[in-house]
Order: sequence, then C-alpha cells, then structure tokens
Amino acid sequence: DAKTTQPNSMESNEEEPVHLPCNHSTISGTDYIHWYRQLPSQGPEYVIHGLTSNVNNRMASLAIAEDRKSSTLILHRATLRDAAVYYCIPPGYSTLTFGKGTMLLVSP
Amino acid sequence: GAGVSQTPSNKVTEKGKYVELRCDPISGHTALYWYRQSLGQGPEFLIYFQGTGAADDSGLPNDRFFAVRPEGSVSTLKIQRTERGDSAVYLCASSPAGRGEQFFGPGTRLTVL
Repeated sequence: DAKTTQPNSMESNEEEPVHLPCNHSTISGTDYIHWYRQLPSQGPEYVIHGLTSNVNNRMASLAIAEDRKSSTLILHRATLRDAAVYYCIPPGYSTLTFGKGTMLLVSP
Repeated sequence: GAGVSQTPSNKVTEKGKYVELRCDPISGHTALYWYRQSLGQGPEFLIYFQGTGAADDSGLPNDRFFAVRPEGSVSTLKIQRTERGDSAVYLCASSPAGRGEQFFGPGTRLTVL
C-alpha cells in the first residue's frame, strides 16, 4: 500500500505563502494524490487532488514532482482561518487513509 | 444545501452500555463512510456503504461494532458493550459515488466512562 510522509507541524505568518510538503515515494503511475484539511473541532474537508501536472483551485495549488514521489500543497496567502491539520492522502480505491498530517500554525 | 449531519454531537455513556450514532448524508449521495478519530490522530476508516450494502467493513475493530444503512440514506453506527477505549470522535462522510471528494460531518464525540 502507498504511504505518505509529512512534517508534524509548520508555522507561517498571516498573508505569507505556505508550502506544505508530502513524500509519497511508493505511489504508482495512475494514482491520484488527495489533500484534505481539518479545522479545529470540525470534520475534514477536501482541499485539492492531482495526478501529474500542477493543479489550482480557489483554495490552494498542488505542485507534483515530475517523478511523482512528492508533492507540495501551496497556500498563496495564509490567513488565520487556514490554521488546521493538513492531510496528504495516499491513493486508495474508495476509502481515505489519514496519517497524522501537518499541523499548520498561522500567526497574525 | 445541507451538508452531512450527525447526531448526537456529544454522547457520554458508561462502560458496558450500548450506543447508536446517526449519520444523515447529503441527499443523493450513494456512498457513505464511517471513520473514528482518537485524540492527536488522523481519522481511521471503519466501514463504507455503497447504497444499502456494506462494500468494505474491514476497518471495524471487532464484532461489537456494527453499522446499517437500510434505505440507502441514513446510517446508524452501533456499538455494543462499550469500552473506555471506544472513546473518540466518530466521523461520517458521504460522496456522490464510490470515488472522489468525500464530504464530512462534524462528528459525534463519544465518551465512555
């Protein structure tokens, strides 16, 4: 089974960009990488997913390495509301496998 | 529109008691998932329904845990003879099909004394 590795925590200042890394060296060539985040006292919410090329949506950007062994979630301007645990999810058929994720702390 | 809802939001019970946790998925979503989240950990998969049937129940920890979805909409997670180790936040999610984005509810915090 594919696994992911993320730093336990990261810190950022408000309105600065944040780059959250994830290592997924064991995924296969047709597997999507998904990112979810969990705000305090809430259920997880979907952020973004991608396969090979970089992806953008209203919440974030996802940069996937050319060899697909790693990816980086990019928040272009962190806000206090972005303080959450960010999960890089390895590919699976239907269910999501969460690790401990990266706790992002945002300072004003 | 309405998101995934879960009731109760909090449940305190005594060791050995039976509990039921309810999940109302987003209308029209055929797939429904239960996860459990212990303090400081990421959510852990329990069971996945496609329609009325359990497509994957490999995450249920033992036979004290059981879930149903009789009409393919609302689901109930049932825990018999609760133990203190069952204390966690139980999360429900739904999706339009068996793959793709999952929409999570706020969870039910279960405390077993």
